[in-house]
This record gives sequence, structure tokens and C-alpha cells, in this order.
Amino acid sequence: DIQLTQFPSFLSASVGDRVTITCRASQSISSYLAWYQQKPGKAPNLLIYTASTLQSGVPARFSGSGSGTEFTLTISSLQPEDFAAYYCQQGETYPITFGQGTRLEIK
Amino acid sequence: QLVESGGGLVQPGGSLRLSCAASKFSFSDYYMDWVRQAPGKGLEWVGRIRDSAHTYTTQYAASVKGRFTISRDDSKNSLYLQMNSLKTEDTAVYYCARFLLGGVYSMDVWGQGTTVTVSS
Repeated sequence: DIQLTQFPSFLSASVGDRVTITCRASQSISSYLAWYQQKPGKAPNLLIYTASTLQSGVPARFSGSGSGTEFTLTISSLQPEDFAAYYCQQGETYPITFGQGTRLEIK
Repeated sequence: QLVESGGGLVQPGGSLRLSCAASKFSFSDYYMDWVRQAPGKGLEWVGRIRDSAHTYTTQYAASVKGRFTISRDDSKNSLYLQMNSLKTEDTAVYYCARFLLGGVYSMDVWGQGTTVTVSS
């Protein structure tokens, strides 16, 4: 199975900060990587697909990059509604796997 | 657009069938996934069913293979998850999600989730 490791697991930041979350795959997944945001008690919401394509309706302050085994999600200027958990997910190979998650909290 | 139902409390070794009702899109054209989330934990993919063009073939996570079965009824715009031989570690919120091919390869629509608790 392809393992996805996210870091950091926990991130404390302030409104207006620029933050980056990294997702590292145990083997190459080309660009078959997605990022999801999940707020407490809610379903995940797709932010980015194929590593760098912004899903329709997602604010432009979110961006993704990377290919192969190293990927990043960047939020350019944190807004209050961005404090949530973030997960990466690979779609290259079965079984589909998710990273363990990054919890982003207000400093 | 996706609404799960059928969750509840079940004893270890028991069975439960979850349903997911789809609306506002052409359900039969899409692959569909089940994803779960144990209390306080991350997301775990459970399995996938393809569309009729791909003969409704399925894929499962190793943790549920042989115990869970995914099916669909395109005439009813419905997805199902039959869960047998349930274990306490199957306790989770179960989400159904639409999987997009065509260069997206991601789950773009999710239900609100239904809670399954396996406990004696």
C-alpha cells in the first residue's frame, strides 16, 4: 500500500499567516493527489485535485504543488474559516489511501 | 446530493446495511466510494464500485474485504454498503462519496455521514 505522511500533524497559526502543509508518498504517485478540508462534524470538502488544480468554488488563497512523492498545500493568507483539518489522498493505486491529517488551529 | 442512512448500534458479529441516496446528478455515470472515520481519527477509504460501463466491479480495503459488500441500484439512484461480521473497530462515521474520473481522480461530492457503533 502507498503510505502518505503529512507534516506537521498539528499547526498553530494566526489570521493572515501563510501556511504550508506537506504530504509525502512512500512511492511515486505521479500527480494523483488530492487535498480535502474537514471541519468538525462535517464531511470532507475537496480543495485541490491532481496535485495543483483548484476545485471550483474554492478560494484562490489555496494552492497545491508537487509531483512524484512530495506535495504541498499552501494557504496564502489564513482566514478564520480555514481553521480545520486537512487531508491528502492518493488516487494512483488501490487501496486508495489518505494522510493522517493536519489540524490547523488558531494561535 | 448524497444522503446516507442506515447507521446505528449493532453488536459485534452482527450485520448492518447502509444506504446512500443520490440526487441532482446522473448517478449511473459515476464511480461511487465509501469512506469512514473512526471517532477522533482520520479518513479511511472503505471501497469503490464502478459504473455499468465497467461492469460494476468493486475494490475494497484489506480491513473490510470479505466482510463488506458494496452494491448499487442505478434505477433507484442508490448506493449500498452491506456490513457483515462487524467488529468494534468498524465503529465510525461512514460517508458515501462520488468519485470523478476524467482528470480529477478525486471525491468531489460527499454525503453528511451516518454513524455506525459496534458494541456489546
